[in-house]
Amino acid sequence: DVKVTQSSRYLVKRTGEKVFLECVQDMDHENMFWYRQDPGLGLRLIYFSYDVKMKEKGDIPEGYSVSREKKERFSLILESASTNQTSMYLCASSLSGGAWYGYTFGSGTRLTVV
Amino acid sequence: AQSVTQLDSQVPVFEEAPVELRCNYSSSVSVYLFWYVQYPNQGLQLLLKYLSGSTLVESINGFEAEFNKSQTSFHLRKPSVHISDTAEYFCAVRGTGANNLFFGTGTRLTVIP
Repeated sequence: DVKVTQSSRYLVKRTGEKVFLECVQDMDHENMFWYRQDPGLGLRLIYFSYDVKMKEKGDIPEGYSVSREKKERFSLILESASTNQTSMYLCASSLSGGAWYGYTFGSGTRLTVV
Repeated sequence: AQSVTQLDSQVPVFEEAPVELRCNYSSSVSVYLFWYVQYPNQGLQLLLKYLSGSTLVESINGFEAEFNKSQTSFHLRKPSVHISDTAEYFCAVRGTGANNLFFGTGTRLTVIP
């Protein structure tokens, strides 16, 4: 079964820490995405990548960075975690071009910053 | 530009009753529409999609959605809900470029025994 795997389901970090959220997909998808999900706000795109070493800002990139050194892995980095970054983080991937199948999501990482 | 509006943030419904979750969209490109479901503490799963052809699409667990171009809608329906349908449902429309899926804010469906 094809998958998008997020390394942690739950994380608790302290304010000011550097936090890494990891996402790996085994579908050879070109595109990968990081969203955060908050009640009443739905999904908001943080960053996405359409190729190795390529990245594009989404709607809310402030306070975050990303890394894509290999096609299958897309990392989200919180340079200095703050309490307003407490949220559910969702990784997704998709094919580029051709027939359109939508996104495949990971199970999410619930991050709490204290 | 693309956008999605889900008119109801929460929908409570009794078990075995019918339900409709509303979704309206706007799109400047060929319309591809999706419904995703998120069960508690899980990621999103694709429920059904409209790409072309028949305007009525169905999922394996009894949901259906109808693409209505004139009303720019893609409402999700089920004639009889189960407790296990309790989840959050997201409507999405295709955009352009690599960032090519725009989500609504979600509708939380709660099925009451």
